[in-house]
This record gives sequence, C-alpha cells and structure tokens, in this order.
Amino acid sequence: QKEVEQNSGPLSVPEGAIASLNCTYSDRGSQSFFWYRQYSGKSPELIMFIYSNGDKEDGRFTAQLNKASQYVSLLIRDSQPSDSATYLCAVFFGNEKLTFGTGTRLTIIP
Amino acid sequence: SQTIHQWPATLVQPVGSPLSLECTVEGTSNPNLYWYRQAAGRGLQLLFYSVGIGQISSEVPQNLSASRPQDRQFILSSKKLLLSDSGFYLCAWSRAGSRNTIYFGEGSWLTVV
Repeated sequence: QKEVEQNSGPLSVPEGAIASLNCTYSDRGSQSFFWYRQYSGKSPELIMFIYSNGDKEDGRFTAQLNKASQYVSLLIRDSQPSDSATYLCAVFFGNEKLTFGTGTRLTIIP
Repeated sequence: SQTIHQWPATLVQPVGSPLSLECTVEGTSNPNLYWYRQAAGRGLQLLFYSVGIGQISSEVPQNLSASRPQDRQFILSSKKLLLSDSGFYLCAWSRAGSRNTIYFGEGSWLTVV
C-alpha cells in the first residue's frame, strides 16, 4: 500500500526560529509533491509544490525534495504565530490520486 | 480566477437519514473533482473522484455515493447515514489531466447523532 508518513507532533518552535517539517513516501516512482497548511476547523490551503530534486523557495517557505531517499521537507524561516497550524504532505501516486499524510501539528511559541 | 463553493457548511443529521452535499466550481471547464473526508484526528481520505460528467471512481466501499450531473457540479449522497459517517467533508478540484494541484472548498462538517 502506498503511504505518506509524517510525524504527528506537536512540534513547538520559538517565534523567529526555523521550523522543519518532514515527510517520507513509499513509492519511488512518485513525481509530484505538495505541502498544504490547515488551520483548525478549516480546509487545507496549498503552500507550495515541488517536482524536482533540490530546493524550491517561496518567501519564508522552502521545500526540499530528495527522491533517492523518498523524502520531502518544508522549512519555514522566521516563524510567526500565524504559522501555527497542521501541515499536510501530499504525494501523487499513479495518475489522479493525491495521497495525504496525517499531518504535523506546528505551534509557534511567542 | 477559479473558485469552489461547497454547502452546507455544517449539518447535524440523525442516524438513518439521507445526506446531500453539493459542490460547484467556477472559472474553469472540465475540471477533475474530488470528495475527501477527514475524520477527527485522522488524515484526508479520498472517497470519490471524477474526470468528467457521469464518470465517478470510488476509492472506499461504503454507504456513500457521488454524482456529477453537470461539468462543474459534484454531489455527495447517502440514503442512510451511519454514526461513522461523521466528519469533515471536503470537495476539491484540479485542472484536467494528471498530477495537477488540488484546491479545496471550505468543507462541510457533518455530525451524525
């Protein structure tokens, strides 16, 4: 069974520090990887996607992909209290089915 | 720009009653459409997806069904709800084709009592 694994947390990070969120996936052939943020009681919203090995930066967010290790991560620089949320990693297995991890709950401590 | 609307936002239904959740997408044609469910403290589970009118793929055997009567309309239904159907239901869309980014609606909170 194809799976996406995340540490459920909670992960506590001081305000202004770097938050590091990690995700592993089971299918070496996966090509597309996504990070979503979900505030409590709300629907997930896309933060960024990554398709190629290496780093992709968007503002305070950096996604890192290592296909050989089947590992994708999200770094949040200069963490703010508004970053406190659950972060979902998602991977396309096959063609149309996006599979989600259970999410990591992040708390930014002022 | 594209928008997705989902309703109702919240509902409380007795066991054995029917269910209908509706979702519409605006600003795009022939989208892929999805229904996900998120139970308390659990991950997102794909229930149904559709690549076109009348084309529905079911991921999880259950007492739910989905229909796509129009290009940008997706409906989730049940004839008789179970307690285990409680959860957060999310409609989502992506552009036609493979491995495109999925965008979610606001979600519907269902409590079966």
